[in-house]
Amino acid sequence: SAVISQKPSRDICQRGTSLTIQCQVDSQVTMMFWYRQQPGQSLTLIATANQGSEATYESGFVIDKFPISRPNLTFSTLTVSNMSPEDSSIYLCSVEWANMNTEAFFGQGTRLTVV
Amino acid sequence: AQSVAQPEDQVNVAEGNPLTVKCTYSVSGNPYLFWYVQYPNRGLQFLLKYITGDNLVKGSYGFEAEFNKSQTSFHLKKPSALVSDSALYFCAVRDIEGSGTYKYIFGTGTRLKVLA
Repeated sequence: SAVISQKPSRDICQRGTSLTIQCQVDSQVTMMFWYRQQPGQSLTLIATANQGSEATYESGFVIDKFPISRPNLTFSTLTVSNMSPEDSSIYLCSVEWANMNTEAFFGQGTRLTVV
Repeated sequence: AQSVAQPEDQVNVAEGNPLTVKCTYSVSGNPYLFWYVQYPNRGLQFLLKYITGDNLVKGSYGFEAEFNKSQTSFHLKKPSALVSDSALYFCAVRDIEGSGTYKYIFGTGTRLKVLA
């Protein structure tokens, strides 16, 4: 199992600004992912955070808007850049080990409101 | 492409009654199926999974799920619901991409309300 600390838990931000969300895991993990969950909706994968290289983005998400870092096997950040009210959402960090059989572990999420 | 469907946005059940949350899936190979629960202001928590073996899978908090290959279903069940089971439930399937990487495909979620 893994214990994930995600910060901040919530924030209210002005449009046009940027917010960086941190995800810290208590053990080394193979895979780290970032999801977006819009109010009352399902999870949408933003990107896979790759250690030591550029993140792999899903369709509809770009690096300029959602830059991601992963300097080591226990830490990653997601930045939401140049925010607009449409970015108001819950952002979730998830970790897994590289095995199809294993379940994922999730951070508690960051509830972002852009005003 | 893999997909998963949760046909009910919300399920209401009286405390003490059995509950079922429905999930159907579509996969091109062997299914890897999962259930997660999300309590208010929390991340997702793993409940149970089906990889292979017995069709009835038992998980956390007294939940179980039945894998039915012919009906391509993986419904979540509990014999006796508790008010504390009220939460948002997600069914998910693993999606293997051509590059060998994999990711989750989540259903739209079902909100379970257990009434006292």
